[in-house]
Amino acid sequence: GAVVSQHPSWVICKSGTSVKIECRSLDFQATTMFWYRQFPKQSLMLMATSNEGSKATYEQGVEKDKFLINHASLTLSTLTVTSAHPEDSSFYICSAKQSNQPQHFGDGTRLSIL
Amino acid sequence: AQRVTQPEKLLSVFKGAPVELKCNYSYSGSPELFWYVQYSRQRLQLLLRHISRESIKGFTADLNKGETSFHLKKPFAQEEDSAMYYCALNAGGTSYGKLTFGQGTILTVHP
Repeated sequence: GAVVSQHPSWVICKSGTSVKIECRSLDFQATTMFWYRQFPKQSLMLMATSNEGSKATYEQGVEKDKFLINHASLTLSTLTVTSAHPEDSSFYICSAKQSNQPQHFGDGTRLSIL
Repeated sequence: AQRVTQPEKLLSVFKGAPVELKCNYSYSGSPELFWYVQYSRQRLQLLLRHISRESIKGFTADLNKGETSFHLKKPFAQEEDSAMYYCALNAGGTSYGKLTFGQGTILTVHP
């Protein structure tokens, strides 16, 4: 079946640094990738939708300069949390899909900012 | 704006008992609804899509537009059904588009 790989699975870094999270579709070409954020004991919240080769579409309230999304190829999207602060600590999950197929989710990345 | 509500955070049943996980939504357009499941230490995966009208692992879900509900049901719960279940709505305008998730329900099936 379709597999989405997310890396790293866990990252701890100091406040003020930038962190990049990768999302790869391993066995299919993902025309669209999505980035979600999940706070403890809460639901997944969509941050942005990313189509290959075009700019990401951010949801209301999500700072695009803070959360940089790049979808440079049909198998890779990256989320960079710039100048991360403790309030950015969260669980970030990506999903990927082909045109009219279901979204397939990655395992998520736990980000901890000290 | 669309919203998905799962009123129960926790649901416990005994093996063999019927189970119903509730999901209500609010959306002004024609909804595309899903149930996703996350087993312990595994990634989120699609369980059901309302358009498919199929039964997966004994689970069914019927879209009730009058009650704006999409409850997930199984007549005889099994221990392996224990997991986190999310109801989700696609309001993105494209098939399997961007999803709005409910808060999730943790189902525990006791032996």
